Amino acid sequence: QKEVEQDPGPLSVPEGAIVSLNCTYSNSAFQYFMWYRQYSRKGPELLMYTYSSGNKEDGRFTAQVDKSSKYISLFIRDSQPSDSATYLCAMSARGSARQLTFGSGTQLTVLP
Amino acid sequence: DTAVSQTPKYLVTQMGNDKSIKCEQNLGHDTMYWYKQDSKKFLKIMFSYNNKELIINETVPNRFSPKSPDKAHLNLHINSLELGDSAVYFCASNSWEETQYFGPGTRLLVL
Repeated sequence: QKEVEQDPGPLSVPEGAIVSLNCTYSNSAFQYFMWYRQYSRKGPELLMYTYSSGNKEDGRFTAQVDKSSKYISLFIRDSQPSDSATYLCAMSARGSARQLTFGSGTQLTVLP
Repeated sequence: DTAVSQTPKYLVTQMGNDKSIKCEQNLGHDTMYWYKQDSKKFLKIMFSYNNKELIINETVPNRFSPKSPDKAHLNLHINSLELGDSAVYFCASNSWEETQYFGPGTRLLVL
């Protein structure tokens, strides 16, 4: 079993839909949780960075962490075609200076 | 003004060859990483250097050898390339407790 599980999709939604992306993990030492967005043929870029449990909002994006359930989510409101990308969750036990463990990524397509 | 750059972007080579990929960051970070991303988009860390010192060395064939001549550079040399080495290799960097910034990737195809 992988340390981090993520539904690979693909996921297709109409423009304007609310998107929910999720990861589960098994390592209770993980404290730092990140979501990266990766466009085709590009490197991953950081979207959201949260520490421990709770919610964090940034524009149309909301990240949720539930450490008791070992479950993290990324919500995208009012999704746009420009949101079409692969979304990777990542987590680490001690900040991001040490080893990041990634999910396998969810491929999202937002249809105009 | 690229933060993390990699060369080359594309690399097509024959099995058995030796090749190198170079990475440079101009962010003043002291930690650099090499990741391998397979065809299913799974991103796995290979190595990490902090101030030119190897701090993470995952289970990677010893045909892969990283070298960090200074804090701003981390190169990856691969000997005796195999078909299974075909992947996208990403370089990343950060400073302590900060997020990692990724380069654009080097697409390696071994024929």
